[in-house]
Amino acid sequence: ETGVTQTPRHLVMGMTNKKSLKCEQHLGHNAMYWYKQSAKKPLELMFVYSLEERVENNSVPSRFSPECPNSSHLFLHLHTLQPEDSALYLCASSQSRTAVYEQYFGPGTRLTVT
Amino acid sequence: EDQVTQSPEALRLQEGESSSLNCSYTVSGLRGLFWYRQDPGKGPEFLFTLYSAGEEKEKERLKATLTKKESFLHITAPKPEDSATYLCAVQRYNQGGKLIFGQGTELSVKP
Repeated sequence: ETGVTQTPRHLVMGMTNKKSLKCEQHLGHNAMYWYKQSAKKPLELMFVYSLEERVENNSVPSRFSPECPNSSHLFLHLHTLQPEDSALYLCASSQSRTAVYEQYFGPGTRLTVT
Repeated sequence: EDQVTQSPEALRLQEGESSSLNCSYTVSGLRGLFWYRQDPGKGPEFLFTLYSAGEEKEKERLKATLTKKESFLHITAPKPEDSATYLCAVQRYNQGGKLIFGQGTELSVKP
């Protein structure tokens, strides 16, 4: 595997379900990010992790719970979601967050909440 | 308030018809401006980073330029495979890795 991978690629879940999104980066980076991309809206930053420590929570509802067990893996745990949470969820990584480094994105998980 | 605005929202070109995409930004303390390309159903693909006004970068048919208020992505003699959504994002000082994205320009190049 190379770059940033995400699983699953597609997910349909009911409002009462609990599911998790997984992201893995193979670039040796130290910072990882979760973004939400809704139709016709700009990408919205959700969470930032640097060296496994959460450094930013961008006013995200508590039904989204991130986890970063090591610098290569990032999870987004989902529970009691709403239909408006349906979107493309993108994971990204960068060499560091303390300088100007480009972020590399995974292919995304297309989430549909029914 | 930091803001990134891209125009036009959509652009249709004939193959070989050169044009430019615009990214206007208002941010205090620009650290870097990024251009990405996103194909349908995929994640954004990094194209360029620009750091200061007057800087230019090129890659194949694409050339990115930066002024103090905006950036342009010039596409010379585009091909159908250049069809995609092009995203602009800015990073400011003292905000770590946070990127503020524009809404994108959807480019369609017809043969």
